[in-house]
Amino acid sequence: AQSVTQPDIHITVSEGASLELRCNYSYGATPYLFWYVQSPGQGLQLLLKYFSGDTLVQGIKGFEAEFKRSQSSFNLRKPSVHWSDAAEYFCASKHSNDYKLSFGAGTTVTVRA
Amino acid sequence: DAGITQSPRHKVTETGTPVTLRCHQTENHRYMYWYRQDPGHGLRLIHYSYGVKDTDKGEVSDGYSVSRSKTEDFLLTLESATSSQTSVYFCAISEGGNEQFFGPGTRLTVL
Repeated sequence: AQSVTQPDIHITVSEGASLELRCNYSYGATPYLFWYVQSPGQGLQLLLKYFSGDTLVQGIKGFEAEFKRSQSSFNLRKPSVHWSDAAEYFCASKHSNDYKLSFGAGTTVTVRA
Repeated sequence: DAGITQSPRHKVTETGTPVTLRCHQTENHRYMYWYRQDPGHGLRLIHYSYGVKDTDKGEVSDGYSVSRSKTEDFLLTLESATSSQTSVYFCAISEGGNEQFFGPGTRLTVL
């Protein structure tokens, strides 16, 4: 079975600083990878996805993620965070011929002024 | 935003009572999912559906059942609610089984 690990439970970052959230997956073949964001009291919103091709993918809200097969990682980045980026972020993966997602436990991001 | 609604949005019930949560979509997507979200666990799949009347279990299906008699509706039933089922429940839909789009959630409290 696939598993997704988000090593950081909570990250605090200053407004305007860069942000990187880590995600590691365990699967032999290249999985399909996703990042979702959840604002307090809301559902999950898809930020970006990776299926194949260019390993650097761009998403909404100024986020990007890079797939690194050698490290089994799919880290999420943003060059300059805004106070509205305070939320919980989830990494998820699936096999290409499956239709179930496996989620990491999530990383909560706090943005300080 | 994908057309997904969940009802009710909040519910408080007592141990041993049956509870049904409804997920309704207007996107005509084939796949529908029920998850529960608990602190420290992310989202865990309860049941999913890959078509009308076609459902299967997820990783935390004990104590839950589902039904899908129409493309647009996916019902989650707790036959006899327990305190361990206090959680936030999310429905998701997917057209091709890849990216999923989530509803607003239902907060369920079992006393």
